Amino acid sequence: GENVEQHPSTLSVQEGDSAVIKCTYSDSASNYFPWYKQELGKRPQLIIDIRSNVGEKKDQRIAVTLNKTAKHFSLHITETQPEDSAVYFCAASEKLVFGKGTKLTVNP
Amino acid sequence: EPEVTQTPSHQVTQMGQEVILRCVPISNHLYFYWYRQILGQKVEFLVSFYNNEISEKSEIFDDQFSVERPDGSNFTLKIRSTKLEDSAMYFCARKRQANEKLFFGSGTQLSVL
Repeated sequence: GENVEQHPSTLSVQEGDSAVIKCTYSDSASNYFPWYKQELGKRPQLIIDIRSNVGEKKDQRIAVTLNKTAKHFSLHITETQPEDSAVYFCAASEKLVFGKGTKLTVNP
Repeated sequence: EPEVTQTPSHQVTQMGQEVILRCVPISNHLYFYWYRQILGQKVEFLVSFYNNEISEKSEIFDDQFSVERPDGSNFTLKIRSTKLEDSAMYFCARKRQANEKLFFGSGTQLSVL
């Protein structure tokens, strides 16, 4: 079955800096890669997703890149703000196999 | 983002008891999923449900678990005889069609004592 690895487990940046979170997956048949943001005690919220027919997708300060050959995908957040602080999860496949999460802290 | 309602929001039960968690349906949503998240850990896939039957399940989803959606009503997850390690947040998720985005419900915090 699918296995997703996510790095780093924690990430601390200064407000205004960029943050990058990386994930790798094992199943070459997976073709859907969403990213979820989870604030403490709340549900995961979809922030961006990408399908395997494109290599990059951008939505304002958030972008995702996908390298199907290497089986890895990344989340890029630019101009980080304190409200970006949360745990971010990557996932692969339609049924969503999640990575272990990255706790992002944006320091004002 | 569509509202996905789950009931109850919190459930406390004794070990060995049965619990039923509910996800309120939207009529045009055909694909349903249950996930669980143990405190401080990742979200784990339990089961997917389409056309009134299970389409896929994980190793976690053993004989103690069952799902059903009788007559288009609530989509439910039943745990027959709860164990301490079943304590977790359980999320329902659903979508209208196969290649659509998946949105999570507000979750049910299950505590097994």
